[in-house]
Amino acid sequence: DSGVTQTPKHLITATGQRVTLRCSPRSGDLSVYWYQQSLDQGLQFLIQYYNGEERAKGNILERFSAQQFPDLHSELNLSSLELGDSALYFCASSVAGDTGELFFGEGSRLTVL
Amino acid sequence: AQKITQTQPGMFVQEKEAVTLDCTYDTSDPSYGLFWYKQPSSGEMIFLIYQGSYDQQNATEGRYSLNFQKARKSANLVISASQLGDSAMYFCAMREGLGLGRLYFGRGTQLTVWP
Repeated sequence: DSGVTQTPKHLITATGQRVTLRCSPRSGDLSVYWYQQSLDQGLQFLIQYYNGEERAKGNILERFSAQQFPDLHSELNLSSLELGDSALYFCASSVAGDTGELFFGEGSRLTVL
Repeated sequence: AQKITQTQPGMFVQEKEAVTLDCTYDTSDPSYGLFWYKQPSSGEMIFLIYQGSYDQQNATEGRYSLNFQKARKSANLVISASQLGDSAMYFCAMREGLGLGRLYFGRGTQLTVWP
């Protein structure tokens, strides 16, 4: 158990819909990262937050948005969903230290029909 | 250019043998960290080992070791005494600079251990 909690674990929805994925980082971790994993694109970095502020942005579509709340949990909002958005969405957290490795949640598997 | 390149889409190894998974990286930052993660079929990402760019010695964690060749910009993962449970996807990743920046991941290598 990495200590990072993601909900829901599985989600099936239709094209055009909107979903929200939630992430609770490990206790004490200020930095939260979102990654998208699909067969054709591999692990794509979406966005990073640090202590409530956006820190870095990757290949995140305009239809997607995220935020980190004062209690440090984060949400990834995906709207106007398309078939190609079907993927495994990972949240990870990290704390400054010797290695600063990312601790990943179990992922939210999104299927868009 | 790709930050992380893993050229082996799939590798096969017999149980109890050693296997090397290749990883090359590309960065102009003198400070960076290299990571290996394992993703079993269940999907979770498990951190295995870390090597910092200034580390003089190769990192080791149990049966995992990282063969760090700085001049060649390679960071190969060596798994000794393979076990059936090692069958999984393995990802090499890099963080540039110090601090808590993002990790760049390679496309992964699917390792299959056979009895």
